[in-house]
Amino acid sequence: KAGVTQTPRYLIKTRGQQVTLSCSPISGHRSVSWYQQTPGQGLQFLFEYFSETQRNKGNFPGRFSGRQFSNSRSEMNVSTLELGDSALYLCASGGSGGRGEQFFGPGTRLTVL
Amino acid sequence: AQSVTQLDSQVPVFEEAPVELRCNYSSSVSVYLFWYVQYPNQGLQLLLKYLSGSTLVKGINGFEAEFNKSQTSFHLRKPSVHISDTAEYFCAVSVYNQGGKLIFGQGTELSVKP
Repeated sequence: KAGVTQTPRYLIKTRGQQVTLSCSPISGHRSVSWYQQTPGQGLQFLFEYFSETQRNKGNFPGRFSGRQFSNSRSEMNVSTLELGDSALYLCASGGSGGRGEQFFGPGTRLTVL
Repeated sequence: AQSVTQLDSQVPVFEEAPVELRCNYSSSVSVYLFWYVQYPNQGLQLLLKYLSGSTLVKGINGFEAEFNKSQTSFHLRKPSVHISDTAEYFCAVSVYNQGGKLIFGQGTELSVKP
């Protein structure tokens, strides 16, 4: 099976812009989660989608949003970018068992100038 | 709420020596436990998991971990490390039957020296 894919791998934006990141989960997986990784805050959970519905949500401002399509692919959007949004954004996919076992993609490195 | 504490931010060790990376968690409900490894400029790879059953779990690359419920710990061990084990290791928990939300520790940087 192909693994989790994320596009693009690298992105450079300026403050105030918006950005959309994409994630394709492992075939057959219906859960997609997003995480932000920074040196200062570590790995933080953004949100999880399951069957096109948001199932869990972390403590991020409303500028961070996501959605999931019927083929389980997911997109994450960040509006009005701030310098502090520079991070590695990781997507993970999981099965339907609810056990929390997640398989991660390579990430998208976002740099905000 | 759940939290995870990795007790060492950096662990230097010589090649072929044993290593233990320590992880403690806090939760008022049942959790699943995981260890992930991250190599430079890559995503996270699942090393091993504890879902239920035997408290000693074996993972990939010769790693194992022991779940200790009374001490709320899930320490990762390897009897003999290689240079290629140099990476960052993350302990994580998810709440039983509540989907894919993982709560991570701050990570332990394992540095294996020749």
